[in-house]
Amino acid sequence: GQNIDQPTEMTATEGAIVQINCTYQTSGFNGLFWYQQHAGEAPTFLSYNVLDGLEEKGRFSSFLSRSKGYSYLLLKELQMKDSASYLCAVKDSNYQLIWGAGTKLIIKP
Amino acid sequence: GAVVSQHPSWVICKSGTSVKIECRSLDFQATTMFWYRQFPKQSLMLMATSNEGSKATYEQGVEKDKFLINHASLTLSTLTVTSAHPEDSSFYICSAGVPMGSYEQYFGPGTRLTVT
Repeated sequence: GQNIDQPTEMTATEGAIVQINCTYQTSGFNGLFWYQQHAGEAPTFLSYNVLDGLEEKGRFSSFLSRSKGYSYLLLKELQMKDSASYLCAVKDSNYQLIWGAGTKLIIKP
Repeated sequence: GAVVSQHPSWVICKSGTSVKIECRSLDFQATTMFWYRQFPKQSLMLMATSNEGSKATYEQGVEKDKFLINHASLTLSTLTVTSAHPEDSSFYICSAGVPMGSYEQYFGPGTRLTVT
């Protein structure tokens, strides 16, 4: 079956750095996505990786290793507004998005 | 960027009634739209995939006669929850994309349905 694993919840301090890991096992691979979702709102796109390596976008970076079925989202200089759920999703061989359960990130002052 | 709208943003209805939710792609043509359901503190659950002009493909466990999907044009898809019950209360989110190559789905803001 297809599976995406990410931690259920993480806590970090304002101003610090946090890394949210995601491992996946899917039938085929056509890209990995990270979305941010605040409570009661729809997800918003953060990043997309289809080749191995690090993609940096401001305070957020995303890394992919296809051989290891592994990705992480790195958030720097954490702000209180970064408190949200972070969803990892993989597009499989049928171009269907397979979603992880999400990681709830709690930022403490 | 691409914008997807949903209407209504929230709705309260009585048990046994039907509710229609609209999803529109405002500045692009969406050949494929996705309908998700999300219960509190849970991740997105794909309900169905609809392609313009054809019948929707429902995920396992989703009743197609209860959740009617119509994708009549390249900019509009509707989800009708028929004979709603309290257990149908949830956050319904649509997204739109171009199949086979587009790297992003564009999400609507979601519709919160409460069935009393």
